Amino acid sequence: EDQVTQSPEALRLQEGESSSLNCSYTVSGLRGLFWYRQDPGKGPEFLFTLYSAGEEKEKERLKATLTKKESFLHITAPKPEDSATYLCAVQPMDSSYKLIFGSGTRLLVRP
Amino acid sequence: DAGITQSPRHKVTETGTPVTLRCHQTENHRYMYWYRQDPGHGLRLIHYSYGVKDTDKGEVSDGYSVSRSKTEDFLLTLESATSSQTSVYFCAISGRIAGAATDTQYFGPGTRLTVL
Repeated sequence: EDQVTQSPEALRLQEGESSSLNCSYTVSGLRGLFWYRQDPGKGPEFLFTLYSAGEEKEKERLKATLTKKESFLHITAPKPEDSATYLCAVQPMDSSYKLIFGSGTRLLVRP
Repeated sequence: DAGITQSPRHKVTETGTPVTLRCHQTENHRYMYWYRQDPGHGLRLIHYSYGVKDTDKGEVSDGYSVSRSKTEDFLLTLESATSSQTSVYFCAISGRIAGAATDTQYFGPGTRLTVL
């Protein structure tokens, strides 16, 4: 069964304290892995798509990496405005529309 | 922001009443989706559409129906709302970024539905 697990469920960081969020997945062939950011009361906002093991994408203080079984979202020197829930989703190779989402990691960055 | 609006943004209704949520897009994308988001479950697909009058079921479709009579509008109907359908509902559309190998889904702002 296709499955996505994100850890930790919640993470508290001090401003400037770098860390990583984990997304482990089980899927019968990976078409793509997606990262989204979601602020309270809003819809998910697209961040990155990764397609193959070894691929990396960066945007400001965020860097996403991908292996054959998991993805990491590295946050370097976070700021309070990075506080949000980060969602990971995988798209199986046999579907061009289906996304399987994890439950997310709630990140709080304190000043 | 992708041009997606949802209406209403908040709704409180009673068990047994019909409810229709609307999703409107200005991007002319072919695919549209309805998800629900509940604590501990993540986002789960209810129904999706791959064109006008072309729809299919997702993983949690029981108790929901959809219609798409125009490219820009995708309606989600709860025929007889139940308390288990209290949730936040998100519409999404998908389109291809230049050079990408697959479509990216873009989400609307959500509708918070409470069924009493």
